Amino acid sequence: SQQGEEDPQALSIQEGENATMNCSYKTSINNLQWYRQNSGRGLVHLILIRSNEREKHSGRLRVTLDTSKKSSSLLITASRAADTASYFCATDGSNDYKLSFGAGTTVTVRA
Amino acid sequence: KAGVTQTPRYLIKTRGQQVTLSCSPISGHRSVSWYQQTPGQGLQFLFEYFSETQRNKGNFPGRFSGRQFSNSRSEMNVSTLELGDSALYLCASRSDGSYGYTFGSGTRLTVV
Repeated sequence: SQQGEEDPQALSIQEGENATMNCSYKTSINNLQWYRQNSGRGLVHLILIRSNEREKHSGRLRVTLDTSKKSSSLLITASRAADTASYFCATDGSNDYKLSFGAGTTVTVRA
Repeated sequence: KAGVTQTPRYLIKTRGQQVTLSCSPISGHRSVSWYQQTPGQGLQFLFEYFSETQRNKGNFPGRFSGRQFSNSRSEMNVSTLELGDSALYLCASRSDGSYGYTFGSGTRLTVV
C-alpha cells in the first residue's frame, strides 16, 4: 500500500505559469523527497526536506512541509516544456530503509 | 561518475518462466533498493540490501527474491512468472549518510 496521496492527479498549465502539487502522508517521517519521472523511465531526485524543516528551495523548486497536517507541497515556478513529467512525493520513515511513494501528479506544460 | 545501470532494459517472458534482473549501483554506494512500478499499484518497495545483507523486504510473495554481491551489484529474481508481474522494475542506490536515492532507468518486464 502507498504511504501518500497526491493532489491533483493531473495538471495542465501554460509555459511560464507556476505548478503546485500536494502530497499527504500517514505516518511519521524522517524526511520527505520529491522525484520526477519522464515517460516511464527512471526517477530523478529533485529535493529533500527533513522533518524539522518547513520550507526549502532549489532553483525553480520550492517545497513546504507541515508535519502537523502530514502534508507537503511542491511548487515549480516559471514552468518550461521540459518540466512535463510525473512528480512523486516519497516519505522516508524511521530506519526502515525504504521510500513510500505517493500515486504521483502528471504535469503537462503547454508551449 | 556513472549512474545506476540496470540490465536488460526490456524483457519479454512467458508465464511460468523465471527472470533475473541486474543492477549496478553508483561506485561507492553500498545500499541498493528495488521497486516495482505498475499502473494499478504505483511504486512499491521490493527490498533493500546493504553490504550483502537484506535489511528490509516489501509485501511481495516469496517468488520475488534478491541478493547483493560483495561489489554491491544486485540481482533480483522472479520465479514462476504471472501476468501481473508485468511492470517497470527500478533499482536505486544511495551513499552512506545520504538520504536521496539515485535511480536507474529500469527494466520493463512483460509477461505473456
